[in-house]
Amino acid sequence: NAGVMQNPRHLVRRRGQEARLRCSPMKGHSHVYWYRQLPEEGLKFMVYLQKENIIDESGMPKERFSAEFPKEGPSILRIQQVVRGDSAAYFCASSPNDRGGQYFGPGTRLTVT
Amino acid sequence: QQQVKQSPQSLIVQKGGISIINCAYENTAFDYFPWYQQFPGKGPALLIAIRPDVSEKKEGRFTISFNKSAKQFSLHIMDSQPGDSATYFCAASFSGFQKLVFGTGTRLLVSP
Repeated sequence: NAGVMQNPRHLVRRRGQEARLRCSPMKGHSHVYWYRQLPEEGLKFMVYLQKENIIDESGMPKERFSAEFPKEGPSILRIQQVVRGDSAAYFCASSPNDRGGQYFGPGTRLTVT
Repeated sequence: QQQVKQSPQSLIVQKGGISIINCAYENTAFDYFPWYQQFPGKGPALLIAIRPDVSEKKEGRFTISFNKSAKQFSLHIMDSQPGDSATYFCAASFSGFQKLVFGTGTRLLVSP
């Protein structure tokens, strides 16, 4: 039973480029969460999605960041016009319902040069 | 109000000893308290979780103690092993709002 899958694992972008991070939840899980982890810090919630719906995006910056979880395919976190401060590890988690435990993927480490 | 405070920041324990990590919260609406273990370069792994209707939960060498009146919960790792060396995060969430609020992490080193 495959766990949460994220790709790419490492992503390097120049300032001003776009970054697309993908997340495939565990089989049977329809709830997806994105978190950001800065070096030596805890994880910060960004957005919570169910299929085709954004449930809570209170942790996501209003500009340049967007997320989607289409009916078919992985969830995507998109960062437009990246800046150096976007460099971080981005983790996706999934759960089977809104009261279950969240299971994390291996993360995508974004470096902005 | 939505913060979770975690201590200590780092911890060194001898092999076979007990590791204890503490967390405190303010928001009494929190009703789910998980602990995660993270190795360098990896994603957090769910270790054990508790809800406020019980005061203690044990799974193998890992135990959560929960004190509702003090708004505190702790992770105890019995018979700590070098393989337990990792960063541990406590977290909290409340029903209907599934986002987890994480503590700042505790870096545990178990010496051989």
